[in-house]
Amino acid sequence: SYELTQPPSVSVSPGQTASITCSGDKVGDTYASWYQQKPGQSPVLVIFEDTKRPSGIPERFSGSNSGNAATLTISGTQAMDEADYYCQAWDSSTGLYVFGTGTKVTVL
Amino acid sequence: QVQLVQSGAEVKKPGASVKVSCKVSGYSFTELSMHWVRQAPGKGLEWMGGFDPENGETIYAQKFQGRLTMTEDTSTDTAYMEVSSLRSDDTAVYYCATDADTGRYARPYYFDYWGQGTLVTVSS
Repeated sequence: SYELTQPPSVSVSPGQTASITCSGDKVGDTYASWYQQKPGQSPVLVIFEDTKRPSGIPERFSGSNSGNAATLTISGTQAMDEADYYCQAWDSSTGLYVFGTGTKVTVL
Repeated sequence: QVQLVQSGAEVKKPGASVKVSCKVSGYSFTELSMHWVRQAPGKGLEWMGGFDPENGETIYAQKFQGRLTMTEDTSTDTAYMEVSSLRSDDTAVYYCATDADTGRYARPYYFDYWGQGTLVTVSS
């Protein structure tokens, strides 16, 4: 089955840049999305179709996707960005959706 | 504004079934393709299944084949997800999720609206 692998954790100082990679076989051939989830809350879409931000998502969130890795970048990270982040893609060979393993972002 | 409101928490015994509902408001229910995602305690998100625009039917993740049924009631704008033969490792928060931008008969690549989640606890 198709798998998307993320680092378990990323630590970042306030105001610095956090990058989260999502590794999967030819993930660049499909659209990647990213979700932010805070404790006890439902996931929130922060990036869709590789690079697009939904209305209301700050500009400090950006995405890219190429080859075997998609990346979520948080520039000028703020304390409120501390959360779990998940990538997600659609596997065209099976028609199934897949979530990444998740990354906990800690703002120190 | 799309709103997905799910039914309340459930406690079930092993071997039983559970049916979770997801009521849609603020959007035409028949224009949405509904999906279900679950999250075990302390674990990541897991896609379970959803509407497949290629054939107009529901597609399920392989691990749930035979135990999972997703249905819709267009008269009440409500989607349902039923899991049978429950086991302790089915204990999780279950979410309904959809994409309101794409329409029912195009491939959704992301989910921009989520329900509040329903905790299902399986315990003897």
